[in-house]
Amino acid sequence: SSELTQPPSVSVSPGQTARITCSADALPNQYVYWYLQRPGQAPILVIYKDSERPSGIPERFSGSSSGTTATLTISGVQAEDEADYYCQSADGSGTYGVFGGGTRLTVL
Amino acid sequence: EVQLVESGGGLVQPGGSLTLSCAASEFTLSHYSMNWVRQAPGRGLEWLSYISGSSATIYYADSVTGRFTVSRDNAKNSLYLQMHSLRAEDTAIYYCARNCGGDCYLGGVGALDIWGRGTMVTVSS
Repeated sequence: SSELTQPPSVSVSPGQTARITCSADALPNQYVYWYLQRPGQAPILVIYKDSERPSGIPERFSGSSSGTTATLTISGVQAEDEADYYCQSADGSGTYGVFGGGTRLTVL
Repeated sequence: EVQLVESGGGLVQPGGSLTLSCAASEFTLSHYSMNWVRQAPGRGLEWLSYISGSSATIYYADSVTGRFTVSRDNAKNSLYLQMHSLRAEDTAIYYCARNCGGDCYLGGVGALDIWGRGTMVTVSS
């Protein structure tokens, strides 16, 4: 099964741009999805199909994918964006889900 | 409000069994594939299982294959996870999560757009 690698932590100042990467040995023909999780809460989907944003998710959240790396970009970071972020994908047939190890975003 | 509510967690001895339930409200469960995901204390998310809307297709992570069984009762708008031969490393918060539908759904495990709050399972003697 594929493994997804994320940096353990990213720190940015308010108003700056945060970029969180998700790398795989191979990103098969499956999309990448992104979630944020605040302490003690369930994850929230913020990006699906690499770059689509669910309704209710602020426009400052965007996603992209190129080769074997997907990137979540948060523009104009706000204090409320401080959370753990996870990428997720599946194997080529969609029969096996996999999450990245998570990235703690700290807003300085 | 569309929501999922898990129940059935608790303390169980190693080697024991437990069944988790997930109740769906304000949407028709049969229209969606569902998943179970867990999170050990202080750790990341781990995908466990997928079940299609009709129960015709079921997938498991290697870590739980042969020990966990997912099922659903669409008439009761409920999802279940039967867990056997539990180990200390199964200690975690267990979440049920809905596979997104519509243009978001591509078949198989995909984006999880609705999550429950989770139920805690502790395996300890």
